[in-house]
Amino acid sequence: SQTIHQWPATLVQPVGSPLSLECTVEGTSNPNLYWYRQAAGRGLQLLFYSVGIGQISSEVPQNLSASRPQDRQFILSSKKLLLSDSGFYLCAWSPGGNYGYTFGSGTRLTVV
Amino acid sequence: GQQVMQIPQYQHVQEGEDFTTYCNSSTTLSNIQWYKQRPGGHPVFLIQLVKSGEVKKQKRLTFQFGEAKKNSSLHITATQTTDVGTYFCAGRDYGGSQGNLIFGKGTKLSVKP
Repeated sequence: SQTIHQWPATLVQPVGSPLSLECTVEGTSNPNLYWYRQAAGRGLQLLFYSVGIGQISSEVPQNLSASRPQDRQFILSSKKLLLSDSGFYLCAWSPGGNYGYTFGSGTRLTVV
Repeated sequence: GQQVMQIPQYQHVQEGEDFTTYCNSSTTLSNIQWYKQRPGGHPVFLIQLVKSGEVKKQKRLTFQFGEAKKNSSLHITATQTTDVGTYFCAGRDYGGSQGNLIFGKGTKLSVKP
């Protein structure tokens, strides 16, 4: 069966520090991968999605970037965090087409 | 661009009462999905509706897709405390890219025992 792993679960980082969040999927190949951000008590904002290795589409201009160095690995990065980057970051995968998304357990990021 | 509006934002019910959340899109959707996020958790896929006028049931949950494929609803009969959480609809319009699953802002349900 397919599983999605996301870490770390919580993170407290100072303003201006770098960020690297990792997401991996097991049990499937060539998944579509997504990064979402959820502000406290708010909806889901799509940040990036990828349909293949090295293919990244950005939905929102910001100081974040994403990379997909391997088929089942998706990384969210920032060179310098802002206070406004705080939130709940969720990685998700789907087999493509009109299938539902499977979300990871998320990373709660607090920028201080 | 495409927008998915969801109402109400919050709903407080007594255990045993019914609950309904509504989802409306500014454009015609190819399909709509529903997710549940428990407090402190991550969204979990519940169901997908594809056909105009489609109705699907999962135990006490009834999902409907409008005839015009621009709106949808989730109805819970006789709520239980286990139903607590935020319910999101997410729609994809025709011709949308793989990234164009647009989420509503969700309805947060609280159930008083």
